[in-house]
Parts: sequence; C-alpha cells; structure tokens
Amino acid sequence: EAGVAQSPRYKIIEKRQSVAFWCNPISGHATLYWYQQILGQGPKLLIQFQNNGVVDDSQLPKDRFSAERLKGVDSTLKIQPAKLEDSAVYLCASSPLGRVESPLHFGNGTRLTVT
Amino acid sequence: GNSVTQMEGPVTLSEEAFLTINCTYTATGYPSLFWYVQYPGEGLQLLLKATKADDKGSNKGFEATYRKETTSFHLEKGSVQVSDSAVYFCALRHNAGNNRKLIWGLGTSLAVNP
Repeated sequence: EAGVAQSPRYKIIEKRQSVAFWCNPISGHATLYWYQQILGQGPKLLIQFQNNGVVDDSQLPKDRFSAERLKGVDSTLKIQPAKLEDSAVYLCASSPLGRVESPLHFGNGTRLTVT
Repeated sequence: GNSVTQMEGPVTLSEEAFLTINCTYTATGYPSLFWYVQYPGEGLQLLLKATKADDKGSNKGFEATYRKETTSFHLEKGSVQVSDSAVYFCALRHNAGNNRKLIWGLGTSLAVNP
C-alpha cells in the first residue's frame, strides 16, 4: 500500500511569513494526525482529525496555526505568521478507525526552518 | 495522568553488542504499548507492539515484553548492526476516551559503530 505522503520536504521562511504543509494519508484511514517534532524531542500532537471532524486540537496554537481536512482525505496545516520557535519537523500520520492497537503510519515529514 | 519514561541517550554500542533501552509507563488500566523507530531524515515507523500483559512484540531481531507488574516495556536486541542507528521512541495508547492519544517518551538515540 502507498504510504503517507507529505510535501514539501523542506521549507525555509523568514519569521512573520506564512507557510502551508500538505498531507495525503493512506487510503481508507479515517484518522489523521499532525505532529510537531522539535529537534531532540518526541512528537507533540497538534491536531487529530477523524474523517473531516476535529477530535483533539488542545495543543494547537490557534492564534497562528490552522488545519483542515477536506472531504475527510487530504489535509493542510498552515502557520501564519511564523515564529522562530516554529522551526521543527511537521509529521503527518494516519491510522484506521476504531482499534487502539492499530499503529500510526507516518510520513517523512516537512522540515521547517524559520529564520 | 498517563506518561512514558525512557532511558536517556545517546547510547553508543559496537556492532554485535547487546542492546537494552528501558521504558516504563504510568497508566490506569491496560494500555497498548509500542516502540517506534526514526531513522535519520525519516518519519517514525512502528517497530513492534504489545496489547496485553505478558505479550511479547518482536520485529527485525528486536523484542519487548509487556510487563504489567513492573509497568515496563524494555526494548532488547541480541546483536545490533550499524543499520540500527536511529532514535527509538516508546509510546502507549490508552483504550479509554474518544481520541486514544498516543503518549510518547522523549526518545533514545542509538549509534552503532562498526
């Protein structure tokens, strides 16, 4: 099966600019996650979708971050305006609905550098 | 609340050495436990999992046993290879609640020298 696709692979922007990331999950996976991974740390969940509804966005900085999942498939994550501390790898993951033991399938991530 | 604690790295080993990365957890009930691996420049991928007490997950020569009595899920491999150099994350996922959020450890970096 095709894996989780993310683009772009790398992005460098200046602070206060905006940026968007795209994710295409594994076909049929109802649940989609966006994680932020700062160098040397574990992943931090930003937002979780189930189909096209938000299940958890408690750690999403809503003043600057936004995400949507169109038609319950692809998703975009946007940062506007970016800050230096947003420099990180942004990981998208998907999983099937329902079973807690189902693993998450991750994309290769987008490495964002804010200068 | 739920939490995962991993041994700090980095861990540096010679090829063919024995590997143990400790992981302990705090959770109510019976969560599912996972080890994920992140190779340089890549996303995380599932290495192995266990869903109930005394289960042993295994993959690519790695093993981990779900120990309820010690709330542990230590990762082991009898003979590491240079290609095992990566960051290893222990995680748990509770079966309660609607979002079933993965709780992650901070990761342990492993470097294997030839």
